[in-house]
Amino acid sequence: SAVISQKPSRDICQRGTSLTIQCQVDSQVTMMFWYRQQPGQSLTLIATANQGSEATYESGFVIDKFPISRPNLTFSTLTVSNMSPEDSSIYLCSGQQETQYFGPGTRLLVL
Amino acid sequence: EDQVTQSPEALRLQEGESSSLNCSYTVSGLRGLFWYRQDPGKGPEFLFTLYSAGEEKEKERLKATLTKKESFLHITAPKPEDSATYLCAGLTGAGSYQLTFGKGTKLSVIP
Repeated sequence: SAVISQKPSRDICQRGTSLTIQCQVDSQVTMMFWYRQQPGQSLTLIATANQGSEATYESGFVIDKFPISRPNLTFSTLTVSNMSPEDSSIYLCSGQQETQYFGPGTRLLVL
Repeated sequence: EDQVTQSPEALRLQEGESSSLNCSYTVSGLRGLFWYRQDPGKGPEFLFTLYSAGEEKEKERLKATLTKKESFLHITAPKPEDSATYLCAGLTGAGSYQLTFGKGTKLSVIP
């Protein structure tokens, strides 16, 4: 099974700023994904991070707001840009091997 | 639209009191049904994948079953350490690994 780490684990940010979240997997994965989890809600898929090409975004999420990079098979970043309080949430990355494994999440509070 | 609905939203059990959690899905072309456990402040932890109606899988006090329209997670003689939120997710889309999650059932096991 893959072990996934995320940095930072939590952060408090001011509105209008940006935060980049890093996701590192200890072994190669075929796909990497970014999710958002708001209190009491389902995990919502933001995008699929594609190696060496642009990420594939789900409806309601756009590249300008959530730019994603995936330079290799074990690493990806998600940036939350021009943040507002509505972006306060838990952001999770996952990696696909025989099943989908998740990182511990990044807890973001925007003031 | 693909939907995954879990019930109940919350469940309190006495230690040793067996019960079941429900996951119903309206997903076209379901390719797999996943169960995860999520502890507070952590990412989802993979439990089971079920692929076809009639399939069952077990792990310690947990048993997952799948029918054509729903899945059950049976918890036998639960212990306080089984307290967590249990998430189910459907996998759809040929060649895709995207999961559609339910909102989860928060299980509390009282000593």
